[in-house]
Amino acid sequence: EAAVTQSPRSKVAVTGGKVTLSCHQTNNHDYMYWYRQDTGHGLRLIHYSYVADSTEKGDIPDGYKASRPSQENFSLILELASLSQTAVYFCASSDHRGGYEQYFGPGTRLTVL
Amino acid sequence: GQQVKQSSPSLTVQEGGISILNCDYENDMFDYFAWYKKYPDNSPTLLISVRSNVDKREDGRLTVFLNKSGKHFSLHITASQPEDTAVYLCAAGATGYQNFYFGKGTSLTVIP
Repeated sequence: EAAVTQSPRSKVAVTGGKVTLSCHQTNNHDYMYWYRQDTGHGLRLIHYSYVADSTEKGDIPDGYKASRPSQENFSLILELASLSQTAVYFCASSDHRGGYEQYFGPGTRLTVL
Repeated sequence: GQQVKQSSPSLTVQEGGISILNCDYENDMFDYFAWYKKYPDNSPTLLISVRSNVDKREDGRLTVFLNKSGKHFSLHITASQPEDTAVYLCAAGATGYQNFYFGKGTSLTVIP
C-alpha cells in the first residue's frame, strides 16, 4: 500500500490562477515536506511541517503557501500561479527525527500556461 | 550556495563493472548522508544511508564511503547491472535541523 499519496497527479493551470496540491501519508510520521524538481536543479525544499497546524519555510518558499490541517495531510498552495512554477512537485514524510529517511509520494506534474 | 553537489551529471558503466558516484557537501554540521535512486517519472527511494560516526557502510552490492575531513561521500555499486540505470541523488542533513539537502543527481547508465 502506498504510504504517501498525492493528488492530483498532473494538472494544467492558467497564469494567475490558484492551485492546491494535496498530500496524504499513512506512515504516522511527524514531518512532511514539499519539494519541487526542475531540470538542472534537483530537488529543492519549498515548505515543511513537523506538527499539525504549523508550517515552516524551506529554501524556496516565495510564491507558495502550505497548510497542515492534520498529521496525515499537507497541502501546497499557489495563490497566483506563474509560468516559473511549472515543475514536478514531490511530497515526502519522515519520522520525528526529521530529515532522515524520507518517503516520497509519486509526484504531481504541474504545468502553468 | 549549493549545500550538496554532485559534480558529474552523468556516468556510463559497462555491465559487471563498478559504478562510483560522488557527492561533496558544504556544511560541517551535516551528520547524516544518504543516496536515493530515482527512475524517470517516479519518486526517489532511499537506497542506503550512513551516519557520521562511521566511514563506510555496505549493503549487498552497495557501499557508501564517507570522508568527513574532505566533506565528501560516495556510492560504489559493484557488479553493475542494466537495472541499475537510473538517476542517483545524494542527500545530507544535520541533527536538529529539519532541512535535508539534495544534490542535482547523477544519471547512471549501465550498458549490457
